[in-house]
Amino acid sequence: DIVMTQSPDSLAVSLGERATINCKSSQSVLYNSNNKNCLAWYQQKPGQSPKLLIYGASTREFGVPDRFSGSGSGTDFTLTISSLQAEDVAVYYCQQYYSTPRITFGPGTKVDIK
Amino acid sequence: QVQLVQSGAEVKKPGASVKVSCKASGYSFNSYYIQWVRQAPGQGLEWMGTINPRDGSTRYAENLQGRVTMTRDTSTNTVYMELSSLRSEDTAVYFCARDMGLSYIIDYWGLGTLVTVSS
Repeated sequence: DIVMTQSPDSLAVSLGERATINCKSSQSVLYNSNNKNCLAWYQQKPGQSPKLLIYGASTREFGVPDRFSGSGSGTDFTLTISSLQAEDVAVYYCQQYYSTPRITFGPGTKVDIK
Repeated sequence: QVQLVQSGAEVKKPGASVKVSCKASGYSFNSYYIQWVRQAPGQGLEWMGTINPRDGSTRYAENLQGRVTMTRDTSTNTVYMELSSLRSEDTAVYFCARDMGLSYIIDYWGLGTLVTVSS
């Protein structure tokens, strides 16, 4: 299985400041036939189900604020929250869907307000 | 709107089985895979398996093979996940979730069903 790691485990950012979360896969998740990265990001607020934010490494799901952006390719990816809002306090997970059906998730990064 | 309504919390003894239901509405049931993902208390997300509602075909995580069974009832747009030989490590919230489109990207999630395994 492809192993996903995330860093940091947690971070605290002041309101309005940038938050950056990193995700690394144990092998490339770039699908060569269409040049798409099989990498998604989810947000899980306390007591809630996860919510899809980004797929294809950089495509925002419909309705997701544009302060959320994804980047990266191959094995290294980043989720950036450009200006942290109070409602962004959550745990963020990356997920690879390259080696289907055996999808795997990262361990999560907890984002808090400083 | 897309909804996935799951059955209520369960408490089971070690060695027992549990069956969790997930009723889908608001979209064409046969057109989207359903994924099952679980989350142990304070832990991350673990993929358990996939069912194709159109033909009932399934794929399971290797570590659950032999203990997990996923089925569907097309007359009620409901999928089921049964886990047998329960152990304490199976205590978790179990989510059903809709696949975006045969892609293994999950775009809608149920609220989750807490299964507690305790003697």
